[in-house]
Amino acid sequence: DSGVTQTPKHLITATGQRVTLRCSPRSGDLSVYWYQQSLDQGLQFLIQYYNGEERAKGNILERFSAQQFPDLHSELNLSSLELGDSALYFCASSGRAKGNTIYFGEGSWLTVV
Amino acid sequence: QQPVQSPQAVILREGEDAVINCSSSKALYSVHWYRQKHGEAPVFLMILLKGGEQKGHDKISASFNEKKQQSSLYLTASQLSYSGTYFCGTGGQSGGSNYKLTFGKGTLLTVNP
Repeated sequence: DSGVTQTPKHLITATGQRVTLRCSPRSGDLSVYWYQQSLDQGLQFLIQYYNGEERAKGNILERFSAQQFPDLHSELNLSSLELGDSALYFCASSGRAKGNTIYFGEGSWLTVV
Repeated sequence: QQPVQSPQAVILREGEDAVINCSSSKALYSVHWYRQKHGEAPVFLMILLKGGEQKGHDKISASFNEKKQQSSLYLTASQLSYSGTYFCGTGGQSGGSNYKLTFGKGTLLTVNP
């Protein structure tokens, strides 16, 4: 158990809908990262937050947005969903310990039908 | 830019050695290695930082050639449990080794009895 908690674990929704994925980082970690992993694809970096502020953006679509709240949990909002958005979405967190090692949550499986 | 990993896949017999390579087209400040079993979260193996500092797994070693912008992961005396997809992640800039941490497409390692 990495200490990073993601909910929901599985989600099935229809095209055009909107979903919110939630992440609670490890206790004390200020940085949160979101990654998308599609079938047979690597880990695509979406966005990174540090202590509530957006720190870096990757290949995140305009239909997607994220935020990190004062209690450091984070949410990834996916809207106008398309079939191609079906993927495993990982949240990860890091702190100052162990050279900023990034710890991944178990992921949220999103299926768009 | 996404780092490039090679080989894409490798099959070993238990006890054999393997090397997985990771190269980047831009300057490296840190290299992170992870192993992922199918459908599970990536698990941290090792982080190599600019300047030679390493933190990681006792039975796995890695090299980091800053000049060539390359890293290699060395798996010796492989065990069945080593099977999985190995990802290297590169990122960072001075002062932030996890900045925009971007992963390669992965190397699928299969260890057979």
